[in-house]
Amino acid sequence: TQLLEQSPQFLSIQEGENLTVYCNSSSVFSSLQWYRQEPGEGPVLLVTVVTGGEVKKLKRLTFQFGDARKDSSLHITAAQPGDTGLYLCAPKLSSGAGSYQLTFGKGTKLSVIP
Amino acid sequence: DTAVSQTPKYLVTQMGNDKSIKCEQNLGHDTMYWYKQDSKKFLKIMFSYNNKELIINETVPNRFSPKSPDKAHLNLHINSLELGDSAVYFCASSQAIRKLAGGRVMNEQFFGPGTRLTVL
Repeated sequence: TQLLEQSPQFLSIQEGENLTVYCNSSSVFSSLQWYRQEPGEGPVLLVTVVTGGEVKKLKRLTFQFGDARKDSSLHITAAQPGDTGLYLCAPKLSSGAGSYQLTFGKGTKLSVIP
Repeated sequence: DTAVSQTPKYLVTQMGNDKSIKCEQNLGHDTMYWYKQDSKKFLKIMFSYNNKELIINETVPNRFSPKSPDKAHLNLHINSLELGDSAVYFCASSQAIRKLAGGRVMNEQFFGPGTRLTVL
């Protein structure tokens, strides 16, 4: 069973600050997704990264997939209160029954204070 | 316009009762899932159906029985509810698996709004 860790578990910052959250594993993944979940809602896909070393930008959010495809980071520039939520990473196995499922990390709960 | 819908949104019931949660998707996806999210926000897969066939059945008590009458629906029936079943249950759907070079796979999952189950 691969170990999947997200850090930090909780993060509370002031509006306008920058932050980075991490997703780490000992396993290699075919792809990895980041989701954001707001209170009372289901997770919503933010991005999918596929290639080792890949960097994707979504407005103020920058996602990076590690060169070895074992880890990923999410950097938010000039955080806004609307960024508040639970950020979940979900890597994907390459084959077998596991290829049909996502394994979610425990998430980073972000609070951006106005 | 709703992509993945679940009913009910809230379900409060007594221990020992039997209840069902319904899920429907209008995205034309062929794979559907049930997840359980506990009070610590840990999201864990329970079941996955591809083209109405069960492909993932994690370690879930057999009191939980999914049923997929067609590709657009995946319902979850729970018998003899226990206190520990209290959680938020999410339905999700995805397109067929997309195979990348080197045998790698990916898909994107779309989640419903969740059903908050409280067992008293």
